Amino acid sequence: QSALTQPASVSGSPGQSITISCTGTSSDVGSYNLVSWYQQHPGKAPKLMIYEVSKRPSGVSNRFSGSKSGNTASLTISGLQAEDEAGYYCCSYAGVSTLGVFGGGTKLTVL
Amino acid sequence: QVQLVESGGGLVKPGGSLRLSCAASGFTFSDYYMSWIRQAPGKGLEWVSYISSSGSTIYYADSVKGRFTISRDNAKNSLYLQMNSLRAEDTAVYYCARDKGGSYMTFDYWGQGTLVTVSS
Repeated sequence: QSALTQPASVSGSPGQSITISCTGTSSDVGSYNLVSWYQQHPGKAPKLMIYEVSKRPSGVSNRFSGSKSGNTASLTISGLQAEDEAGYYCCSYAGVSTLGVFGGGTKLTVL
Repeated sequence: QVQLVESGGGLVKPGGSLRLSCAASGFTFSDYYMSWIRQAPGKGLEWVSYISSSGSTIYYADSVKGRFTISRDNAKNSLYLQMNSLRAEDTAVYYCARDKGGSYMTFDYWGQGTLVTVSS
């Protein structure tokens, strides 16, 4: 099972919006609404930001939103803040034979 | 509050073995599926293994199948990963993570990780 494809890096200025894509296949992202997104600051454990494509866990800012179209899921962060600078990873369920796969990760830089 | 604390990492020679543990607290451990996820230095996340709440259903990534064994002891609120025939490419921080109920491959709580280094 290949990793999901994410851009290596994205950047934006404070207050702007950015979108990170996560491209899979019809066997994972395209078949299930079980895409999740994680934020990871250096040296820290990942934190769940979005699950089931577009749901936010309690406590996560509504500046974070998720969507999906076909085999590509997306994470949008609006009103960028300095503390949003981190690595972001998508993950998708891929069926009982493989179970799941992560994206390669995207480093977000807030300029 | 939910806490997951990994232990057991360290330096091991290629071909060697190591057993990781994850102590859970702050929730009813026996109600939740659990996973091990790893991250090689400077690299992305890789799902390693998954175990159902009762331990009756287990999955492994192809990269570790036949070498790693996941298990749990619900009486001790603990998750384990027995790693055999270790290779250099198994070098990583290993996280235990709780699967959010009702949503496969959604990890709502993570431990701080334990570093495994495979080197001669």
